[in-house]
Amino acid sequence: DGGITQSPKYLFRKEGQNVTLSCEQNLNHDAMYWYRQDPGQGLRLIYYSQIVNDFQKGDIAEGYSVSREKKESFPLTVTSAQKNPTAFYLCASSIRRDRKVGAEGYTFGSGTRLTVV
Amino acid sequence: QKEVEQDPGPLSVPEGAIVSLNCTYSNSAFQYFMWYRQYSRKGPELLMYTYSSGNKEDGRFTAQVDKSSKYISLFIRDSQPSDSATYLCAMSPNAGNNRKLIWGLGTSLAVNP
Repeated sequence: DGGITQSPKYLFRKEGQNVTLSCEQNLNHDAMYWYRQDPGQGLRLIYYSQIVNDFQKGDIAEGYSVSREKKESFPLTVTSAQKNPTAFYLCASSIRRDRKVGAEGYTFGSGTRLTVV
Repeated sequence: QKEVEQDPGPLSVPEGAIVSLNCTYSNSAFQYFMWYRQYSRKGPELLMYTYSSGNKEDGRFTAQVDKSSKYISLFIRDSQPSDSATYLCAMSPNAGNNRKLIWGLGTSLAVNP
């Protein structure tokens, strides 16, 4: 079955440490996204990529970095510059469309819960 | 003012009730409207998708869009305890390469047996 796999499910980070969250999809989707979800704040876009080797900052990119070397993979690194990284991180993908009508929603992974210890 | 407003709830209803979930928005350019369901500690899953105005029905779920009022609704008929989840609305002005979804905060729903 096609889908998005995020790993690990739970991750603990020490102060000053960089950690990388994995996101892999086998849906043949062009576009991929990283969101952060905090209670009371909804989904906030960190980075997105419409195509391989290209990505754009979202609304809260500071302290995060990404790469898109393969269509299937869009890893997110939470750097030590991110002062409040404890959150639920969601990866999503969607088909890139050039048509003006017709759209599909995002397919989400099951998320990674990151906690600073 | 947020582009999309959604009452976070919580909303608690008895099993079998009709549930109405709503979002309002301010950007008249929005054309694509979606509802996602998110169970606790899981990623959201697409429930309903609507383009422009009108109604769309899928089983016990009906999505309505009223662009003149900038108001969208999701109705759940014969609600079940398995419908207990957070429901997020999302919308976008276009389906092209630069599409980014604008999200509501989500409404927490509890259906009590």
